[in-house]
Amino acid sequence: KNEVEQSPQNLTAQEGEFITINCSYSVGISALHWLQQHPGGGIVSLFMLSSGKKKHGRLIATINIQEKHSSLHITASHPRDSAVYICAVRLYNNNDMRFGAGTRLTVKP
Amino acid sequence: GAVVSQHPSRVICKSGTSVKIECRSLDFQATTMFWYRQFPKQSLMLMATSNEGSKATYEQGVEKDKFLINHASLTLSTLTVTSAHPEDSSFYICSARGTKGGLNEQFFGPGTRLTVL
Repeated sequence: KNEVEQSPQNLTAQEGEFITINCSYSVGISALHWLQQHPGGGIVSLFMLSSGKKKHGRLIATINIQEKHSSLHITASHPRDSAVYICAVRLYNNNDMRFGAGTRLTVKP
Repeated sequence: GAVVSQHPSRVICKSGTSVKIECRSLDFQATTMFWYRQFPKQSLMLMATSNEGSKATYEQGVEKDKFLINHASLTLSTLTVTSAHPEDSSFYICSARGTKGGLNEQFFGPGTRLTVL
């Protein structure tokens, strides 16, 4: 079992829909990152969380440390949100990073 | 705004040439920098970790003589792919860790796509 599991693997939505991508992890962490990777490959750091919730524009990220779970929400989704979203955790014991397999989001107009 | 930059964002080179990729932390001092590689439709794989002023630590299976890493300052690390071959074509991502705003944080660069012809 991977230390970081994302769901779903693939997600197709209509423009305007509310999107949720989930990330569960099985290790002790000091921080969790959400990354966005565009079709051309470019990576954008969306959030770094160690507790609670963060919001940036239409994006919201939450983390529940007790349940070892994080969610990334996109409100009023748009075709330009189409990308792969990657969850990454920093291990508490040695600061190594572990990456989820990514969720491929396609938002149709 | 972006706190880690990479240059170039894309590079195409001929087989046998060497390519240098720069990674800069823009507004903080990166005590540790990481280099990752990503093959199509796969997740990021750590290649090496470097601390400023010391030799990089390479992951198993990564040739240190082929992927030269220099972390000469707290804001700059370079990855040089020597004698590049088509199988080195990949997406290379750096990440920098340091103290920003009093917090120890890690930030990712946007990546560099290398195509070796």
